[in-house]
Amino acid sequence: GAVVSQHPSRVICKSGTSVKIECRSLDFQATTMFWYRQFPKQSLMLMATSNEGSKATYEQGVEKDKFLINHASLTLSTLTVTSAHPEDSSFYICRVTGAGLEQYFGPGTRLTVT
Amino acid sequence: RKEVEQDPGPFNVPEGATVAFNCTYSNSASQSFFWYRQDCRKEPKLLMSVYSSGNEDGRFTAQLNRASQYISLLIRDSKLSDSATYLCVVRNSGYALNFGKGTSLLVTP
Repeated sequence: GAVVSQHPSRVICKSGTSVKIECRSLDFQATTMFWYRQFPKQSLMLMATSNEGSKATYEQGVEKDKFLINHASLTLSTLTVTSAHPEDSSFYICRVTGAGLEQYFGPGTRLTVT
Repeated sequence: RKEVEQDPGPFNVPEGATVAFNCTYSNSASQSFFWYRQDCRKEPKLLMSVYSSGNEDGRFTAQLNRASQYISLLIRDSKLSDSATYLCVVRNSGYALNFGKGTSLLVTP
């Protein structure tokens, strides 16, 4: 069965609204979670890295006030896209790692901002 | 220069053909290397790790040349179901991964 889930799998929202995406690890404790964004025909771009209980580390060019990441527990991280714009439309994927080097991707969330 | 570079393709090949993908990476201190497969609108899935000695998994063979900082993936006897985007992935240290843009493969009947 799936090790990592994301919710929602697909979301359409209006420009200016905020959207929260959840990433849950189902069978193990995820010490580190990564959030990626992928535009059509582009590679996965790392947005931020989060460790449970601490502030996320954002990649250069990613606005931390626009993409709020909360990693409150070892099984849940959330990414909130605030004041979404059409250019935020993308495929958002989380990746989780455990204490060893095992790693799993979530199934992704497709965000469309109209 | 991007850390991981791949030819984006697309590679259009007939069923049964052999196809090879190449990838180069810029960080000589990179530690681990992988090929992932990504289907349209899905998350990447690990296809195989790549070792210096080369490794094979059924119809798939991966090679790593550390001196040239070059990774390859060979697919023999292509199947229609092999159609996907193949991502070259490099880990430098820790858990962070660097992804290539991917090479698109279309296997036709």
